[in-house]
Amino acid sequence: GAVVSQHPSRVICKSGTSVKIECRSLDFQATTMFWYRQFPKQSLMLMATSNEGSKATYEQGVEKDKFLINHASLTLSTLTVTSAHPEDSSFYICSARGGAGTDTQYFGPGTRLTVL
Amino acid sequence: EDQVTQSPEALRLQEGESSSLNCSYTVSGLRGLFWYRQDPGKGPEFLFTLYSAGEEKEKERLKATLTKKESFLHITAPKPEDSATYLCAGGDSNYQLIWGAGTKLIIKP
Repeated sequence: GAVVSQHPSRVICKSGTSVKIECRSLDFQATTMFWYRQFPKQSLMLMATSNEGSKATYEQGVEKDKFLINHASLTLSTLTVTSAHPEDSSFYICSARGGAGTDTQYFGPGTRLTVL
Repeated sequence: EDQVTQSPEALRLQEGESSSLNCSYTVSGLRGLFWYRQDPGKGPEFLFTLYSAGEEKEKERLKATLTKKESFLHITAPKPEDSATYLCAGGDSNYQLIWGAGTKLIIKP
């Protein structure tokens, strides 16, 4: 149980284009989903927290207009990197947490974004 | 300020050589101490959640313990497939995770 998928696993795009990453909880309802970014040999950096049907809460320093997050259902959240630039190249990972009283976050496999 | 510190940064062991990883934390209103395993190029895999001092949990060759200031991940007779980065995180009062930098564990056959 508690499986989270991400799609795509890898994406290469040209500078200036937009990229959408999907995160799905496959066998549970995720009231809260999180988006992280991870740089090489570093730990996870939280970008934003989203609750189903609500606007995402972004961490300080994360541009909300650049990283658009939508949590339209209890099993799907999307992250759109708009007008991507090479400095946006990174490993993006989502996680999902179930309902009230559930503390554990379950992570997706991650998406490697390369912007040329 | 909430903080989680893991040590050592890296640990190299021979197959079968038992050891422990340390996670020191100062997280106000701690809502759980979490251990994850992360393989290169993959998302973290959940291992354990500990909620109160004295609690212990086991899974195969791994055992996690918790005190009021630290958590330990004990690995008994490790195998090469246990090689990974082990991440520790404290859950804060908003249910967000405060992450340690991780310990890279390498088990040599």
